[in-house]
Amino acid sequence: AQSVTQLGSHVSVSEGALVLLRCNYSSSVPPYLFWYVQYPNQGLQLLLKYTSAATLVKGINGFEAEFKKSETSFHLTKPSAHMSDAAEYFCAVSASGGGSNYKLTFGKGTLLTVNP
Amino acid sequence: DAGVTQSPTHLIKTRGQQVTLRCSPISGHKSVSWYQQVLGQGPQFIFQYYEKEERGRGNFPDRFSARQFPNYSSELNVNALLLGDSALYLCASSLGPDTTSYGYTFGSGTRLTVV
Repeated sequence: AQSVTQLGSHVSVSEGALVLLRCNYSSSVPPYLFWYVQYPNQGLQLLLKYTSAATLVKGINGFEAEFKKSETSFHLTKPSAHMSDAAEYFCAVSASGGGSNYKLTFGKGTLLTVNP
Repeated sequence: DAGVTQSPTHLIKTRGQQVTLRCSPISGHKSVSWYQQVLGQGPQFIFQYYEKEERGRGNFPDRFSARQFPNYSSELNVNALLLGDSALYLCASSLGPDTTSYGYTFGSGTRLTVV
């Protein structure tokens, strides 16, 4: 079984500051990990994914995440926040194989607000 | 290219009623998945269909059912609605059945309110 825990339901940063959104995972098999963003009244957009290649993954809009097996973490970072980054962010995990690699298990989300 | 299309965008139903939600995948995509997102929570997996066959089902009661048509569009049906079924229902399509080889594209969802 797979699960993710997002630490902090709400993160507030100033424009231009570092963004750090935390995600820890639990998985009985090697995991694949994802970060999605959701803007108000919209669906989910994939920011980046880790699928066992490079542990540092670069995504869209300047975001990146690092897979750390020893810490079971996959934190999302961006060096400088923009006002347009304000949204809800979801970490998700999927099994890398076997019979359940067809579904995503999401965390509860972290709402990012960016202050001018 | 059109993205994943869901209809309706909003609807209000009364407890005990039945509802049908519709999803049209991206052209060429053969897999459709359904997720329920309750306010303040992450999406939760309900079903996946690939090539018109159910590939997986989440931990939802039998009141929830779905199907996929020959053109790969899909319907999600919920019977005997409860207040707790109020949520945003998201549809995601992909070329293939697994989450990693093929990217998932989500629609904007259907907001269901049960009163």
